[in-house]
Amino acid sequence: QVQLQESGPGLVRPSETLSLTCNVSHYSITSGYYWGWVRQTPGKGLEWIANLYHSGNKYYNPSLESRVTISVDTSKNQFSLKMNSVTASDTAVYYCARGAYFMDVWGKGTTVTVSS
Amino acid sequence: EIVMTQSPATLALSPGERATLSCRASQSLGGNIAWYQQKPGQAPRLLVYSASTRATGIPDRFSGRGSGTEFTLTISSLQSEDFAVYYCQQYYNWPPMHTFGQGTKLEIK
Repeated sequence: QVQLQESGPGLVRPSETLSLTCNVSHYSITSGYYWGWVRQTPGKGLEWIANLYHSGNKYYNPSLESRVTISVDTSKNQFSLKMNSVTASDTAVYYCARGAYFMDVWGKGTTVTVSS
Repeated sequence: EIVMTQSPATLALSPGERATLSCRASQSLGGNIAWYQQKPGQAPRLLVYSASTRATGIPDRFSGRGSGTEFTLTISSLQSEDFAVYYCQQYYNWPPMHTFGQGTKLEIK
């Protein structure tokens, strides 16, 4: 069955760029579905960040759009998230997930702390 | 932005009892709502989509209903593994601007 696994640094300095990758197993990204990111904080709860389709469509949460880029590498069957100019409020558990509307498969999540 | 409001924030029940969780949207969604279950240290798990369709592998004790702005998730007879946090999520708009409720914690009484 399809599996998603997030990877990336657990600690990011303020004002720097957060970079995460989601590796997809047992399913080809090019076979369909949208793929995206959701984060979770104690204060704001679950927050949808962005999603994309392998052929190019990309969508962003308007509140984050100016700082976020989502991309896909079909040769590696993975997709990525970059968030620049991070602050302490970007400290969260970041999940990658499958789905355009609702998310039916999720990664286990990775904790990212923004701190100097 | 569509705001999703869940109630109650916490629900304390005993195994075998019936649980009813509510989610209200700030504008009509049609049936474009999903429900998730989350246990500590785990990712959310999809339970229901399109307001009332159970996801693959979800037991039939979980049922969703509602339309417009009022939605409910019912667990007919609580099992020990059902005590968790439950979230609703709307997906009414495209391009997407998905939003989640703040969650209902279902705890053992």
